[in-house]
Amino acid sequence: AAGVIQSPRHLIKEKRETATLKCYPIPRHDTVYWYQQGPGQDPQFLISFYEKMQSDKGSIPDRFSAQQFSDYHSELNMSSLELGDSALYFCASRVWGSNQPQHFGDGTRLSIL
Amino acid sequence: KNEVEQSPQNLTAQEGEFITINCSYSVGISALHWLQQHPGGGIVSLFMLSSGKKKHGRLIATINIQEKHSSLHITASHPRDSAVYICAAQYGNKLVFGAGTILRVKS
Repeated sequence: AAGVIQSPRHLIKEKRETATLKCYPIPRHDTVYWYQQGPGQDPQFLISFYEKMQSDKGSIPDRFSAQQFSDYHSELNMSSLELGDSALYFCASRVWGSNQPQHFGDGTRLSIL
Repeated sequence: KNEVEQSPQNLTAQEGEFITINCSYSVGISALHWLQQHPGGGIVSLFMLSSGKKKHGRLIATINIQEKHSSLHITASHPRDSAVYICAAQYGNKLVFGAGTILRVKS
């Protein structure tokens, strides 16, 4: 069965550069979530989207923005990257309002040099 | 503040042992999730609970709404169960994660 696809799997950037992470949800899933997991930390919720609209906002820095497109895929745009942005970024998807759990992608590991 | 607390933080067991991981949360959750994270990072959803008990293979998850407490049990543990187990509380539309329990099962 198709799962949540994230790209790239690994990304290396330097300070002050920009990065774009992509998430392709499971087919027919209309809700996408982004999480950030720093080294040795538990995942922290960043932002979520339902039907291309932001549905909830967590601890997402102002330097980051995200959007969901008409095909339900989502992109997390990160600017002025800092060393502290090095983390594993997870995307998850589900059907809004369903009693099914979120399905997680394998994550994008972002390293800032 | 919505908080999720897990215990223990680290757990080492011998193959075949019965394992319990505990999770407590604050009021207002709509569901409680148990997740498994392997080295390399991928997260797999094990259970989503709002009441009672669920079983899948050797895994059992229970939740007590009155006590705001959930447990994950692993029967007949195996080295391949070694992973980080994370409890996450669903508040509305988003998840708040516990710090995780690092489980190591020795053969």
